[in-house]
Amino acid sequence: KAGVTQTPRYLIKTRGQQVTLSCSPISGHRSVSWYQQTPGQGLQFLFEYFSETQRNKGNFPGRFSGRQFSNSRSEMNVSTLELGDSALYLCASSPGLAGDSGETQYFGPGTRLLVL
Amino acid sequence: TQLLEQSPQFLSIQEGENLTVYCNSSSVFSSLQWYRQEPGEGPVLLVTVVTGGEVKKLKRLTFQFGDARKDSSLHITAAQPGDTGLYLCADNNNAGNMLTFGGGTRLMVKP
Repeated sequence: KAGVTQTPRYLIKTRGQQVTLSCSPISGHRSVSWYQQTPGQGLQFLFEYFSETQRNKGNFPGRFSGRQFSNSRSEMNVSTLELGDSALYLCASSPGLAGDSGETQYFGPGTRLLVL
Repeated sequence: TQLLEQSPQFLSIQEGENLTVYCNSSSVFSSLQWYRQEPGEGPVLLVTVVTGGEVKKLKRLTFQFGDARKDSSLHITAAQPGDTGLYLCADNNNAGNMLTFGGGTRLMVKP
């Protein structure tokens, strides 16, 4: 079974631009979560999508948004980029059984975003 | 807001040594998970523990969960260079999949 794939793997943008990152979950998984990883703040939860609906949301500004398609693939968008948005963006997929906590999440390799 | 503290932040040891890293939570864990992340990769789940006092072994790795379910330790016996990586503890504390992570312990095992 193919793992979680993320594209692109590396990205360089300038302040004020916007960026879209893509995540393809493991086949059959319906839940996709996004995380931001920085040296200063560590790994922080952005949001989770399940069956095309946002199910959970972390404490990030509205510039960070996401969506999920009917095939469970997900995208996240960051508008008006700031220098502090430079980070490794990870997505994780899981079967997403409704109401089930403690599921194993499978992480992709991440997209490394550098904002200049 | 739940806070997870991991210690030490950095650890550099020689191959063959033993080590223990710790994870402490400001509130009771719902479901404690330990991950290892290698450079250029995403975190990989090592173990999930739920019951206070639980001990799980995975080859040379031993995971302990405190009785009060607010602390955990990971002990590695006879560390190998392949154990090098960032060790993260996390709590899955919501319906759905929202992980709260500790800051991690970065381990380097020198040959």
